[in-house]
Amino acid sequence: GAGVSQSPRYKVAKRGQDVALRCDPISGHVSLFWYQQALGQGPEFLTYFQNEAQLDKSGLPSDRFFAERPEGSVSTLKIQRTQQEDSAVYLCASSYATGYQPQHFGDGTRLSIL
Amino acid sequence: SQQGEEDPQALSIQEGENATMNCSYKTSINNLQWYRQNSGRGLVHLILIRSNEREKHSGRLRVTLDTSKKSSSLLITASRAADTASYFCATNRDDKIIFGKGTRLHILP
Repeated sequence: GAGVSQSPRYKVAKRGQDVALRCDPISGHVSLFWYQQALGQGPEFLTYFQNEAQLDKSGLPSDRFFAERPEGSVSTLKIQRTQQEDSAVYLCASSYATGYQPQHFGDGTRLSIL
Repeated sequence: SQQGEEDPQALSIQEGENATMNCSYKTSINNLQWYRQNSGRGLVHLILIRSNEREKHSGRLRVTLDTSKKSSSLLITASRAADTASYFCATNRDDKIIFGKGTRLHILP
């Protein structure tokens, strides 16, 4: 496909479970970003990859959050021992070059923790 | 933390009118971008203005940038129902961009 693809679109998990969210960026895009968006707020930066290198993970809320992009394309955001405050939309974006070029977003994964 | 702040938080106007949204930011920038987000969807890039530019046009969109005031405005002319969405400004920090909280625009038929 031509755009950024995220799966699943919706995820419901019980508190304490682990979840994994997937992002397929646009082919050839070097940079990949993960954001967390609470209802009525703007996206909050979580982490950033350039190819397979995770250059910035300063936005990850806790050590329960882990992201990887082992081959420089698909990325996975994993949340361990989920808490209710993890409920949010998780957005993935990619860009052709460096971080402050226009970004292309997926439609996000809406995560609900019961 | 968010660097940009949009104003107003919400705006309702009649179809055909012009809509103006403002953004203020805190630190120096390389560029400023505006994005649109329809309900339940990802963000869509609208326009990028560089720090050495003062005004930029794209179709019905006009963006201004005043680096001395650390502010930008987005004007949508002749609004349409399809313009109903949230609009975010985004500024760069290091090698990433930081979004504001957005303006929710509602176009009334």
